[in-house]
Amino acid sequence: AQTVTQSQPEMSVQEAETVTLSCTYDTSESDYYLFWYKQPPSRQMILVIRQEAYKQQNATENRFSVNFQKAAKSFSLKISDSQLGDAAMYFCAYRSDSGGGADGLTFGKGTHLIIQP
Amino acid sequence: SQTIHQWPATLVQPVGSPLSLECTVEGTSNPNLYWYRQAAGRGLQLLFYSVGIGQISSEVPQNLSASRPQDRQFILSSKKLLLSDSGFYLCAWSVREGPQHFGDGTRLSIL
Repeated sequence: AQTVTQSQPEMSVQEAETVTLSCTYDTSESDYYLFWYKQPPSRQMILVIRQEAYKQQNATENRFSVNFQKAAKSFSLKISDSQLGDAAMYFCAYRSDSGGGADGLTFGKGTHLIIQP
Repeated sequence: SQTIHQWPATLVQPVGSPLSLECTVEGTSNPNLYWYRQAAGRGLQLLFYSVGIGQISSEVPQNLSASRPQDRQFILSSKKLLLSDSGFYLCAWSVREGPQHFGDGTRLSIL
């Protein structure tokens, strides 16, 4: 079974600074997807960014980028120019590609990101 | 555009009572549908997923069941709730190899 580990229960960053959230995973599969989701106090789960394992190029979405190291099974999220609205729980998630996209997500326990004004 | 509706937003139920949470998706056909539970201070745990009408896969043995009576409707049920069923329940949808998109969730408290 796959597992996802987020070793940082809480991170704090000054507004406008850059912060990196860590995620490692364990799998024996070669084809899979990785995701970062954001959960603000409203508790809605919002997709931040996704990465296909077969792609070597790291995904980028505006101020959000990932450092995907497949051999190390590492998938960190970098948030540049942090904003107050970035404050939330961030969850790393894994999805196998064996089910044609239908498989559920395996989540880490999350990192609580605090933005200091 | 696709939207997902989940209700109720909040529910308080006594132990031993039945449960029915509903989720519907608009703007897409034959979506994959999912139910997750989030315990306090923890990540999400997959409970059920469905790739089509009447097709339900269970990930965790528990006091809950799921049904998909229509293409874009997914229902989470229980005949008798336990205290351990308390939590935040989220429905999600996806199509083909796309990412999952979540509803706003239901906060379930068992008394």
